Amino acid sequence: QSALTQPPSASGSPGQSVTISCTGTSSDVGGYNYVSWYQQHPGKAPKLMIYEVSKRPSGVPDRFSGSKSGNTASLTVSGLQAEDEADYYCSSYAGSNNPYVVFGGGTKLTVL
Amino acid sequence: EVQLVESGGGLVQPGGSLRLSCAASGFTFSSYWMSWVRQAPGKGLEWVANIKQDGSEKYYVDSVKGRFTISRDNAKNSLYLQMNSLRAEDTAVYYCARLMMATINFDYWGQGTLVTVSS
Repeated sequence: QSALTQPPSASGSPGQSVTISCTGTSSDVGGYNYVSWYQQHPGKAPKLMIYEVSKRPSGVPDRFSGSKSGNTASLTVSGLQAEDEADYYCSSYAGSNNPYVVFGGGTKLTVL
Repeated sequence: EVQLVESGGGLVQPGGSLRLSCAASGFTFSSYWMSWVRQAPGKGLEWVANIKQDGSEKYYVDSVKGRFTISRDNAKNSLYLQMNSLRAEDTAVYYCARLMMATINFDYWGQGTLVTVSS
């Protein structure tokens, strides 16, 4: 069982927006602004899409955005494109306790 | 261009050992924390271990403490994971990742190497 809770699946049509949630506790998501989101295509390595809740690394389209409220973080993908179909994982710093970083179980995003 | 290339995975019997390597290029390896993250078949990601730039600090997930050892050779731009007393539940793709300590995220990942623990 993963430390952070994500819905197993999400879907949307091209051009639509979809939001994926990531629920933790006050010891991880709620306690720090160190939430990240990773995209993983089948058989590929994860790719950093969002860090520090809402910041995008260079090269990541601004269609991807992140937010947080309390113990729940969210990733929103706007203007869905076929290439957005992938697994998405959230992660959070969990403080000096072990484990150092906790991940969600992943959400399979399907572009209909 | 940042590149991380893992090697050393394979099939090993329960109780056996394996050493993973990660060759880094395209950045100043000695300036960054590095990590290992694993993914069991069909499952999510799990952080395994971190190591500081000079190797003076190391952190492990509880499930591998005492069995796995993370190390690095900055002269060779290489990261290692020595895995002993392997168990079936250690079966996973192991990724080498660069850890951005200031923002607690993994900004570059290797392609992974598969470790299968089975008799």
